[in-house]
Amino acid sequence: SQQGEEDPQALSIQEGENATMNCSYKTSINNLQWYRQNSGRGLVHLILIRSNEREKHSGRLRVTLDTSKKSSSLLITASRAADTASYFCATPPRGGQGFSFIFGKGTRLLVKP
Amino acid sequence: DSGVTQTPKHLITATGQRVTLRCSPRSGDLSVYWYQQSLDQGLQFLIHYYNGEERAKGNILERFSAQQFPDLHSELNLSSLELGDSALYFCASSGGLDSGNTIYFGEGSWLTVV
Repeated sequence: SQQGEEDPQALSIQEGENATMNCSYKTSINNLQWYRQNSGRGLVHLILIRSNEREKHSGRLRVTLDTSKKSSSLLITASRAADTASYFCATPPRGGQGFSFIFGKGTRLLVKP
Repeated sequence: DSGVTQTPKHLITATGQRVTLRCSPRSGDLSVYWYQQSLDQGLQFLIHYYNGEERAKGNILERFSAQQFPDLHSELNLSSLELGDSALYFCASSGGLDSGNTIYFGEGSWLTVV
């Protein structure tokens, strides 16, 4: 099974600054997804980027994908205190019967007001 | 609200006991996934069911078992509980079998083993 590894493990910024988180994975993928988890809550899907896409935007979120480097980044612009959460990337494997949706350990983002 | 319902929300039980966690997926979703999240292990994939059949297995202990019923709800059974089994257990669902789908998480079941 594959695993996305997020970097850094923790990030602390001031409100209004941009936050960048990275994800590396191991093998070929169809898509890469980013999720957010508020403390003690379920994960919420943020954005999906397909393997043939290089960049995708959704509101204040910008995701890039570099399949040659097997890496992705999530940029949150103009961060708010409410963005404080853990962020995970997930890389479902390509093909096969069923799949195991594997998450990394996440990046813990703290946005200070 | 993701549409995935998990019960119970909180559970405290003693070592050696057995518990059952229940999950109702989003309406129409055929895939159900179970995850365990603890402080030191992150989010661990346990098992994936699709339309009643087991499709993928992760780091699921032999003391744990799961099933998906004809109405698509799923149960995760945890037996001979140990202190280290204390964790937040998530169920998630998605519409299909392939990897193009987003998965939707429930709010989790907090299990405390004392």
